[in-house]
Amino acid sequence: DIQLTQSPSFLSASVGDKVTITCRASQGISDYLAWYQQKPGKAPNLLIYAASTLETGVPSRFSGSGSGTEFTLTIRSLQPEDFATYFCQQLNSYPLTFGGGTKVEIK
Amino acid sequence: QVQLQESGPGLVKPSQTLSLTCSVSGNSFNSGGYYWSWIRQHPEKGLEWIGHIYYLGTTYYNPSLKSRVIISVDTAKNQFSLKLDSVTAADTAVYYCARVYSSALLYFDSWGQGALVIVSS
Repeated sequence: DIQLTQSPSFLSASVGDKVTITCRASQGISDYLAWYQQKPGKAPNLLIYAASTLETGVPSRFSGSGSGTEFTLTIRSLQPEDFATYFCQQLNSYPLTFGGGTKVEIK
Repeated sequence: QVQLQESGPGLVKPSQTLSLTCSVSGNSFNSGGYYWSWIRQHPEKGLEWIGHIYYLGTTYYNPSLKSRVIISVDTAKNQFSLKLDSVTAADTAVYYCARVYSSALLYFDSWGQGALVIVSS
């Protein structure tokens, strides 16, 4: 199985901050990576697929980059509604796997 | 726009079978191209893919659960279902159904709201 390691697992930030979350894969997955946002009590919501393609309707302050084994999700200017947990997911091979999550909280 | 909704018992006894159904609204269920998936999330933990099914019946399962899982489809009702045998407390989780974008890009672009299933006697 491909393991995905997210870092940090928790971060505290202020509105307006730039936030970067990293996802490392245990083997190369090209650009077969997606990012999701999850708020408490809700299902995950797709933000980015193919490592850097923004899903329709997702604000442009979100961006993704990377290829191979290292990927990043960047939130350019954190907004109040962005405080949530973020997960990466590899779609390169079965079984599909997710990272452990990064919880973004208000400083 | 597709909508998914899980339904089923919220409490299952140990050693019994967990059964959930996902109802899909919209016109994408029988149109091909999509897979229909089950994912679970243990309390305060990460996400685990269980498996998915194509509307014609082809299935893919997580090897960690494969011996206990069956995913089936009812195209007449626009539904797909999950059965998980011999459950234990470790199967307590929120179970989500979700749509997989395509066989080439296996990401989840639509999700149900989730169903909490507790395994307890």
